Amino acid sequence: GDSVTQMEGPVTLSEEAFLTINCTYTATGYPSLFWYVQYPGEGLQLLLKATKADDKGSNKGFEATYRKETTSFHLEKGSVQVSDSAVYFCALSAGYSTLTFGKGTMLLVSP
Amino acid sequence: GAVVSQHPSRVICKSGTSVKIECRSLDFQATTMFWYRQFPKQSLMLMATSNEGSKATYEQGVEKDKFLINHASLTLSTLTVTSAHPEDSSFYICSATPGQFSNQPQHFGDGTRLSIL
Repeated sequence: GDSVTQMEGPVTLSEEAFLTINCTYTATGYPSLFWYVQYPGEGLQLLLKATKADDKGSNKGFEATYRKETTSFHLEKGSVQVSDSAVYFCALSAGYSTLTFGKGTMLLVSP
Repeated sequence: GAVVSQHPSRVICKSGTSVKIECRSLDFQATTMFWYRQFPKQSLMLMATSNEGSKATYEQGVEKDKFLINHASLTLSTLTVTSAHPEDSSFYICSATPGQFSNQPQHFGDGTRLSIL
């Protein structure tokens, strides 16, 4: 079945550091890929998405590129802020709109 | 952007009480709504998929009689936790999507923290 694997956290960074959160997936067909962010005590917010190979999703300085050859969708940001501290979920959707989530990666950014 | 409202945000009640959680899509018609459960420091576990006007599809291991789902309109789905017990305490999150295709993202509510004493 479909699955998503994310790097385990927490990822601890200083403000303005470069961020990479790895995400790889297994799916039949051509899934759509998503990154969601969850701030403490809140639901999930869509951060970015990509629906086909080589698409790059971007939002709020975050980027991720759909790499079919490596089945990856790594999340990157050039300079993190304290306000980026949250849990980040990689997810895929294949066929219909049901999402398969990774386990989430907590990001902690210190001043 | 698309907005999903979930209410209440927090519930504290005694064991044996039934609790209803509402999920509304405010600016789009939600063909499909989803209900998730999230344990501390864990990912979301899909409980059920709810399609307007039809019975919900429950994931394996989720008790249908325990977690009643009603999707009466294109903008409202409800989850009722019947005769709740302490082990039902969790963070419940709904999401909604305007379509049935994989490229349309789900939009999430802010979740409901359920605490059963």
